[in-house]
Amino acid sequence: GENVEQHPSTLSVQEGDSAVIKCTYSDSASNYFPWYKQELGKGPQLIIDIRSNVGEKKDQRIAVTLNKTAKHFSLHITETQPEDSAVYFCAGTYKYIFGTGTRLKVLA
Amino acid sequence: NAGVTQTPKFRVLKTGQSMTLLCAQDMNHEYMYWYRQDPGMGLRLIHYSVGEGTTAKGEVPDGYNVSRLKKQNFLLGLESAAPSQTSVYFCASSYKDRTGELFFGEGSRLTVL
Repeated sequence: GENVEQHPSTLSVQEGDSAVIKCTYSDSASNYFPWYKQELGKGPQLIIDIRSNVGEKKDQRIAVTLNKTAKHFSLHITETQPEDSAVYFCAGTYKYIFGTGTRLKVLA
Repeated sequence: NAGVTQTPKFRVLKTGQSMTLLCAQDMNHEYMYWYRQDPGMGLRLIHYSVGEGTTAKGEVPDGYNVSRLKKQNFLLGLESAAPSQTSVYFCASSYKDRTGELFFGEGSRLTVL
């Protein structure tokens, strides 16, 4: 079956620094790669996604890069702020299987 | 616009009791999903539905049943609750399978004693 691995499981950065979270997937047929943010006590929310015909997508301080050959995609957050503290999930979309999550802490 | 609504939000059960979690969406989405979230395990797919009257198993379907009698509702049932089913349950819906955004509810926290 499909396998999705996400690293690291926890990440602490100083406010203003950058954060990078990586996800690897197993299903070669995947062509859609989303990232979700989950704040405490809430359901996950989509923050950015990318389709397989592009290598990078940016939305203000967040970006996603895709390497289909290596079967991995990464979330990049620049100029981190305290409100970026949350749990982030990638997903493989054969059956919408999620990674195990990364708890990001932005230290003021 | 309510989006995805889950009821109840909290429930405590005794081992062996049964219950049903209700998920309702008002976005006319075809696809609906039930996940459970446990510490360190992320979100694990229990069952999903690609349309009214259809359901399919996800990663961890054992001990759960589902029904999708109406397009807007997706029910998750526990026939005989076990402590291992203590978790936070999330329902989600999407317009497209595999290549579309999932819209999540706020979650239902279930404790089985």
